[in-house]
Amino acid sequence: NAGVMQNPRHLVRRRGQEARLRCSPMKGHSHVYWYRQLPEEGLKFMVYLQKENIIDESGMPKERFSAEFPKEGPSILRIQQVVRGDSAAYFCASSQAGTGTNTEAFFGQGTRLTVV
Amino acid sequence: GENVEQHPSTLSVQEGDSAVIKCTYSDSASNYFPWYKQELGKRPQLIIDIRSNVGEKKDQRIAVTLNKTAKHFSLHITETQPEDSAVYFCAASNKGWGKLQFGAGTQVVVTP
Repeated sequence: NAGVMQNPRHLVRRRGQEARLRCSPMKGHSHVYWYRQLPEEGLKFMVYLQKENIIDESGMPKERFSAEFPKEGPSILRIQQVVRGDSAAYFCASSQAGTGTNTEAFFGQGTRLTVV
Repeated sequence: GENVEQHPSTLSVQEGDSAVIKCTYSDSASNYFPWYKQELGKRPQLIIDIRSNVGEKKDQRIAVTLNKTAKHFSLHITETQPEDSAVYFCAASNKGWGKLQFGAGTQVVVTP
């Protein structure tokens, strides 16, 4: 089991470009969560998805940010028209279930986005 | 919504001593409290967790205690070693794992 895979590990974008971050959950996991970590800060919840469904997006900025988890393929976090304030580490986590037992979540290595 | 406060922000201990990190939470409905360890530039790793139906849990040198009445929980690391140096985050959730609210983190430095 390769664990939660995120790519790319590092991404540099110029202001105004689009950033696409990918996350493949652990085998057998159907719940995916995205978190953002600003330098020297804690992780902030962004969005929770199951296959083809957004369960909770209360942490997502209202504009420019979107997420999906299609039936086939990885989950994608998309940031349009990036600004310098979007520079952060974006972590994806996955779990086998969303509530109850077997809810332990495992994090990927993260994508470090730098906007120049 | 849930708010998690974590103290201290930095903690320096001598190798072999104990380290204690404390967190408080605001939502009385929170029922799941994991602790994560994050080394520089790496992913957060779950080291221990506790659910609201348990008051204490131990795993070798690591223990977590939960006081639901006071709404606080603590991480205890005994016989600290240099490899324990990292940032530790507490978190809380009222929806199983679904949505974690993290504390700001504690930088632990263990000096030989």
